[in-house]
Amino acid sequence: AQSVTQPDIHITVSEGASLELRCNYSYGATPYLFWYVQSPGQGLQLLLKYFSGDTLVQGIKGFEAEFKRSQSSFNLRKPSVHWSDAAEYFCVVMDSNYQLIWGAGTKLIIKP
Amino acid sequence: DAGITQSPRHKVTETGTPVTLRCHQTENHRYMYWYRQDPGHGLRLIHYSYGVKDTDKGEVSDGYSVSRSKTEDFLLTLESATSSQTSVYFCASTGTKQETQYFGPGTRLLVL
Repeated sequence: AQSVTQPDIHITVSEGASLELRCNYSYGATPYLFWYVQSPGQGLQLLLKYFSGDTLVQGIKGFEAEFKRSQSSFNLRKPSVHWSDAAEYFCVVMDSNYQLIWGAGTKLIIKP
Repeated sequence: DAGITQSPRHKVTETGTPVTLRCHQTENHRYMYWYRQDPGHGLRLIHYSYGVKDTDKGEVSDGYSVSRSKTEDFLLTLESATSSQTSVYFCASTGTKQETQYFGPGTRLLVL
């Protein structure tokens, strides 16, 4: 069965430091991959998506993610975090029926 | 972002009462979805619609029904609310290509 694993429930990063959020998926074919962000008490915003082509994708707010087929990973990165990046981040896979399979989320905490 | 609204945004109800949540989109999207979000889980699909009067069950459909009489509106009904249905409910929609789902702001439901 398809699944998405975000191994870190919480991550704490100092403001200005770099960030990497991990995501591994289990899916037979080439997946469509997404990262969504949910700020406290807010809805869900699409950060970036990968369908095909260049495996390094750029998103909004300075985020990027890299698709690595050999590792079944789609990790999210940002070179320097801001306090406003504190939120919960979800890695998502779209299956062959266009249904979204969600990871459990990683809560990002920013230290001043 | 797609114009998706949800009503009500917050609701408190008692066990055994019927509850209807409304999702409205102004993008003329063909596909609409209802999800629930609970701590420790990503979003889980309740029901979805692939056109007017065309709906299907998702992963956690027990206790829920849906209706779609117009392209722009997708209703989620809890026929007899239970405490286990306390959750945050998100609606989403996407166009014919089904590439990216856009989410509403969510409805926080508390069943006492």
